[in-house]
Amino acid sequence: EVQLLESGGDLAQPGGSLRLSCAASGFIFSSFGMSWVRQAPGKGLEWVSALSGGGSSTYYADSVKGRFTISRDNSKNTLYLQLNSLRTDDTAVYYCAKSFRAFGDYFAFDIWGQGTVVTVSS
Amino acid sequence: EIVLTQSPATLSLSPGERATLSCRASQSVSSYLAWYQQKPGQAPRLLIYDASNRATGVPARFSGSGSGTDFTLTISSLEPEDFAVYYCQHRSRWPLTFGGGTNVEIK
Repeated sequence: EVQLLESGGDLAQPGGSLRLSCAASGFIFSSFGMSWVRQAPGKGLEWVSALSGGGSSTYYADSVKGRFTISRDNSKNTLYLQLNSLRTDDTAVYYCAKSFRAFGDYFAFDIWGQGTVVTVSS
Repeated sequence: EIVLTQSPATLSLSPGERATLSCRASQSVSSYLAWYQQKPGQAPRLLIYDASNRATGVPARFSGSGSGTDFTLTISSLEPEDFAVYYCQHRSRWPLTFGGGTNVEIK
């Protein structure tokens, strides 16, 4: 079964840091681009960041550029998101999501994790 | 960035009725548009990719159409499990963006 399992969400103070992880199983992880998408409480979906299958190309929303870093370890089938300089408006459920097709920039998402909650508050 | 505008914000319909949801892009996204369904407390589910291709396991009552800047998601006959929020998303260029969503509610 194809599955994504996020972890690492927590309560953090403004200016603080967190590292989110997403463990993948059931597919050839290194062949697929991956993304992080977030959803603030009661709001819509916001794309955050994406990474190509090989990890050489990274993309960020303007709202997180310079503060968040996406990475992957294909030997561990795991996607990461390092969150630095956190702000209260980063509070959201963070989902990792798998691209629907391999070997290219097919960034629509056919598999999603259950989400991990990040709360930024003093 | 490309802005996706979904309309209406809320659609009140009865089971068995036809639902027509719109997504308009601020500039052309070619056919690189996807549709998702999200129910409360759940992750989104991919319904349609590249404007008109149903994802695996999606019932035939869901169909997508359009290209360029105007797109439509049609649910031919609403089932009770179809009442949810629907989002469009483009993958035409960076940054990716989502529309604001349409809430399909029971009338």
